[in-house]
Amino acid sequence: EPEVTQTPSHQVTQMGQEVILRCVPISNHLYFYWYRQILGQKVEFLVSFYNNEISEKSEIFDDQFSVERPDGSNFTLKIRSTKLEDSAMYFCASREPGLAGGLRGNEQFFGPGTRLTVL
Amino acid sequence: AQKITQTQPGMFVQEKEAVTLDCTYDTSDPSYGLFWYKQPSSGEMIFLIYQGSYDQQNATEGRYSLNFQKARKSANLVISASQLGDSAMYFCAMREGPDSNYQLIWGAGTKLIIKP
Repeated sequence: EPEVTQTPSHQVTQMGQEVILRCVPISNHLYFYWYRQILGQKVEFLVSFYNNEISEKSEIFDDQFSVERPDGSNFTLKIRSTKLEDSAMYFCASREPGLAGGLRGNEQFFGPGTRLTVL
Repeated sequence: AQKITQTQPGMFVQEKEAVTLDCTYDTSDPSYGLFWYKQPSSGEMIFLIYQGSYDQQNATEGRYSLNFQKARKSANLVISASQLGDSAMYFCAMREGPDSNYQLIWGAGTKLIIKP
């Protein structure tokens, strides 16, 4: 069964360093998302991406964050200068084209996550 | 703004018993959808079940069913005949934004532990 993959599974970095989190969405999906989950807290939406551009972003997604689809398969999240509070699990998700609805709501498929630790 | 509330931070349930996980939501949008995801200790998010606001019947998916009470704005997840493997975090989430490209807003989750 096709799945979303993410690399690395765990990244440790020093405060102020740049990190790039990588995701390979499911191949026929056209909508891509990043969410984060700070340890013990709820999952938060960061950004959605469609047709090679950002479609929505949350207030968390400030100028330190950027996303890119550098080729036909990868979808990346870059944090330019990491802060301690960026430590979290980052989830990539993808979805088929089409409207939400049907039996499964055209659900988002999630990757296993990247645990980012900023020291 | 839309909001999801899960009032049970943790639950202990005996194996083979049914369990209900609560979720209430707040939205002024007449068209919305609610998802339940399971997050085991390994960390991944697993889709369980979906309920659309215009769906006439409550959603069911194997041992999972959704007790959808629109007037009360609740969408409780029911797991029948619980198993040890059901021990996990469970999140209720609502889609926000257009149907064509929605994002999910999430509740705080319920940690379910199944006792043998």
